[in-house]
Order: sequence, then structure tokens, then C-alpha cells
Amino acid sequence: GAGVSQSPSNKVTEKGKDVELRCDPISGHTALYWYRQSLGQGLEFLIYFQGNSAPDKSGLPSDRFSAERTGGSVSTLTIQRTQQEDSAVYLCASSFTEQETQYFGPGTRLLVL
Amino acid sequence: GESVGLHLPTLSVQEGDNSIINCAYSNSASDYFIWYKQESGKGPQFIIDIRSNMDKRQGQRVTVLLNKTVKHLSLQIAATQPGDSAVYFCAEIFDNYGQNFVFGPGTRLSVLP
Repeated sequence: GAGVSQSPSNKVTEKGKDVELRCDPISGHTALYWYRQSLGQGLEFLIYFQGNSAPDKSGLPSDRFSAERTGGSVSTLTIQRTQQEDSAVYLCASSFTEQETQYFGPGTRLLVL
Repeated sequence: GESVGLHLPTLSVQEGDNSIINCAYSNSASDYFIWYKQESGKGPQFIIDIRSNMDKRQGQRVTVLLNKTVKHLSLQIAATQPGDSAVYFCAEIFDNYGQNFVFGPGTRLSVLP
């Protein structure tokens, strides 16, 4: 595709439920990032995939958060047993390789009731 | 002028004036910097980048200045237009690992008619 796509665009869930957020990076981009943006705040780094290397998970806020990247392309961010403080916009970005310009998707707006 | 809002500093400028958005970065080892623009409801979009071996780079209507001595980055927008209203984030990148992308909290630019 022409850009990074994410789905769903909006997700409302109940506290305690699991959610899965999907990211389709730009074709050929080896680096993929997940960020979280709370209302009015800056971007908080969550996890980074680069090629076939082990992902950098250092930004994940708790063990309820996990992410996979299958076949070096599509990525899924999973949040288990969601909490109200998980409510935020989750942004995915990809770049051709590491430390290159990142191109962002439109984000998934998650609301945990 | 500039003011600190609830979460984001805000810069208000008259349409047609030049805008200067400032950013202080934290790590003297950072060697790559990016400015992102985020409009309401959209993910951040790349505006312009600069490597640490440069102190100025120009794009279309935008100029980024880098002062490594005081770890300061600025984004200048010429002839500001209503479509420039957005939140602007600076990002610093050091090393080759995803965890070393650091985003500032952002500045909200408001263009007055």
C-alpha cells in the first residue's frame, strides 16, 4: 500500500477484556515501531521490530502488552486484561531501515470503559 | 506568544507571519533529529530531518536549525497558513536501537486569521 495502515481505527472495550491492534507497514520497510499517545502527551515508545532480529520490548509498560510481527510485515499489538489507563491512541510507524525516517499510520483510538 | 497549556505549550501566530517552534533535546550523543506534525485525528507526519553534521536544513517553507552546543533544535515555518495548525513534535535519535528514539512532548501551533 501507499502508506502505513492500522485497524481498527477506533476500539471501545470493557475493562478486563483483551484487544488486538493491527499494523500493516509500508511494503519493503524492515523497521516497525509501536507508540502510545495519551491525550495531550508526547509519543511513548512501546516496541520496535527490525528485520529478523529480536524485538526491542523495553518500552512495553507491563507484561499485559505484547506484540508480534509475522513474516517481517504485519504486526499485531495485544493488550490483555485491559485497564482504563490503557486508553490512548496507539500509533504504528515503519521505516525502510533503522534510524531512518519513520512514517506513521493513522492510529487506533482505544477507549477502555 | 507562547504559553504553557494543560499539557502542551502553545504558540499562537497570525496568518502570514513566521513561526518558530523550539525543542531542547536531552542527549549530546543524538545524531539524527526529526520534526513531526500531527493534525487532530491523524498520526504524526514527517516534516523535515537533520543530521548532527549539519546546523541548518531547508525544505519547502520550513527550516530546521540545530545548535549542538546548547542541545537545541528549532523549526521555522515561513508565511504560516491555517493548515499549519497542528501539534509539532521533535524527535532525537541516538544509537541504532529503537529504544533510543525520544520524542518531545510537542508544541501546539495555532494560526490566527
